[in-house]
Amino acid sequence: SQTIHQWPATLVQPVGSPLSLECTVEGTSNPNLYWYRQAAGRGLQLLFYSVGIGQISSEVPQNLSASRPQDRQFILSSKKLLLSDSGFYLCAWRGFQDTGELFFGEGSRLTVL
Amino acid sequence: GQNIDQPTEMTATEGAIVQINCTYQTSGFNGLFWYQQHAGEAPTFLSYNVLDGLEEKGRFSSFLSRSKGYSYLLLKELQMKDSASYLCAVSDSNYQLIWGAGTKLIIKP
Repeated sequence: SQTIHQWPATLVQPVGSPLSLECTVEGTSNPNLYWYRQAAGRGLQLLFYSVGIGQISSEVPQNLSASRPQDRQFILSSKKLLLSDSGFYLCAWRGFQDTGELFFGEGSRLTVL
Repeated sequence: GQNIDQPTEMTATEGAIVQINCTYQTSGFNGLFWYQQHAGEAPTFLSYNVLDGLEEKGRFSSFLSRSKGYSYLLLKELQMKDSASYLCAVSDSNYQLIWGAGTKLIIKP
């Protein structure tokens, strides 16, 4: 069966520090992968999605970047965090059913101070 | 623009029935999803509707009317563990999900 994991689960970072969140999927090949951010009381905001190795689409302009160095690995990064980067970050992969259901990782809670 | 509307918060009593509404305006439609999200956790899939009508799955049912841009999630025999946020999401013409802000459901004993 397919599983998705992301880490770290929680982190507190100072403004201006770098960020790296990692997500891996097991049990499937060539998945579509997504990074979302969820601010308190807000809906899920799509940040990046990837349909294959090295293929990244950015949905919003920001100081974040994403990379897909391997088929089942998706990384979210920042060189210098802003206060506004605080939130709950979710990695997801898209199932191959006709519904296009998304399966989410456990989430990463980022607090920028 | 694309828009998903759902109530911010609802309160219901254990054992009762609650209906959470969702209205949408999107560029294209390729299905509507309901997800459940407990506090501090990732969303989990509840239901998917692409055709008009009611889909029943145990205590949970989801209804869709494409002509009205409207869906609801019906939860029966509420349990304390149903306290969570319920997210409505629509798959648009590019098969990207557009998400509502979620409805926080509070269950009281």
